[in-house]
Amino acid sequence: DGGITQSPKYLFRKEGQNVTLSCEQNLNHDAMYWYRQDPGQGLRLIYYSHIVNDFQKGDIAEGYSVSREKKESFPLTVTSAQKNPTAFYLCASSPSRQGTQYFGPGTRLLVL
Amino acid sequence: RKEVEQDPGPFNVPEGATVAFNCTYSNSASQSFFWYRQDCRKEPKLLMSVYSSGNEDGRFTAQLNRASQYISLLIRDSKLSDSATYLCVVNTLNTGKLIFGQGTTLQVKP
Repeated sequence: DGGITQSPKYLFRKEGQNVTLSCEQNLNHDAMYWYRQDPGQGLRLIYYSHIVNDFQKGDIAEGYSVSREKKESFPLTVTSAQKNPTAFYLCASSPSRQGTQYFGPGTRLLVL
Repeated sequence: RKEVEQDPGPFNVPEGATVAFNCTYSNSASQSFFWYRQDCRKEPKLLMSVYSSGNEDGRFTAQLNRASQYISLLIRDSKLSDSATYLCVVNTLNTGKLIFGQGTTLQVKP
């Protein structure tokens, strides 16, 4: 059963807390991406990785961090420096940087 | 100016209607073009890629005009199940960085 999984589906963060969102894919894709979607808006790129052990900042990387230690995993940490973290977070993967991107089911992050 | 702009919507149409969505992009170096569909509170799913010669998939037809930097999606014989938000997406210079429009919402009514 191939695909992209994200967990948890819902996540609650307290003020000043760091939280980590999981993204796993078993499609053998090289490239992985993290996006943020706010209500009524398009997706904005946070971080991306085209190969293991390498990643690049996207358009809104401040307050976020990532790692890419394994091909199948690309976790996103939302740090306390991100002042407005409430959003729908979407992970995507692609066979290559030119390939079509496929999305996981997303994680909704809410601040308590 | 936004890099990818779409019709604001929402579009409310009766079943069986034909509806067209438009999208413009600002970067003439853009290489790849897509339409994604997003249902309420779900992830985007690829509807179709858009090729220079235009392409059709059942009731859906996509067109690309590179000179005008314009992309369109035509849906014929609308179904209730077509109700969703349609996202116009552009990949510039094949960097893998997709630029998303804000989406156009379609509501098909019985």
